[in-house]
Amino acid sequence: AQKVTQAQTEISVVEKEDVTLDCVYETRDTTYYLFWYKQPPSGELVFLIRRNSFDEQNEISGRYSWNFQKSTSSFNFTITASQVVDSAVYFCALSEYTGNQFYFGTGTSLTVIP
Amino acid sequence: GAGVSQTPSNKVTEKGKYVELRCDPISGHTALYWYRQSLGQGPEFLIYFQGTGAADDSGLPNDRFFAVRPEGSVSTLKIQRTERGDSAVYLCASSPQQLTSPTDTQYFGPGTRLTVL
Repeated sequence: AQKVTQAQTEISVVEKEDVTLDCVYETRDTTYYLFWYKQPPSGELVFLIRRNSFDEQNEISGRYSWNFQKSTSSFNFTITASQVVDSAVYFCALSEYTGNQFYFGTGTSLTVIP
Repeated sequence: GAGVSQTPSNKVTEKGKYVELRCDPISGHTALYWYRQSLGQGPEFLIYFQGTGAADDSGLPNDRFFAVRPEGSVSTLKIQRTERGDSAVYLCASSPQQLTSPTDTQYFGPGTRLTVL
């Protein structure tokens, strides 16, 4: 069965601090996708990144970086020098390689305090 | 280009009533998905269409829920005899048939907030 665990329910940081959001997943598939989405107070899910299971290369996009470790079934997300606009709920998700049904974690609510 | 749109944005109904929620996917996306998101939870899969047919409806909670996509574009989620427990945000997403480029993913609409009184 597919499962995504985001153990951190809520995190608060002071602006400019770095913060890492944890994601641990379970799957029996050998090939799969992992995703991160941001859900700001407006409610719309915003796509951040997709990672293929066969590509363990870490990725950096501006202040965002992702650490994918297949050995520990983790796909963690780090925001460097956090800003107030980063305040949102962040969801990690897993799908089979067809990219159809997504399995979402319960989300981590991040609050960046000015 | 235009994203996924959903109407209405909010729907308040009384217990026992019938409701229809509409989703207009991104043009050219053959796959369409419905999810339900309860407060404090992640989206929960309901049903997936590939073209006009429901390829996977395993997430529909019971037979009061039904969805159609007659022309392979717009989809309607239908809920009969609504119950208070149906109150949630209903999200629609669309994607290309296959995820080939790095930005191919499910793109979500703003959702319809359903409140059953």
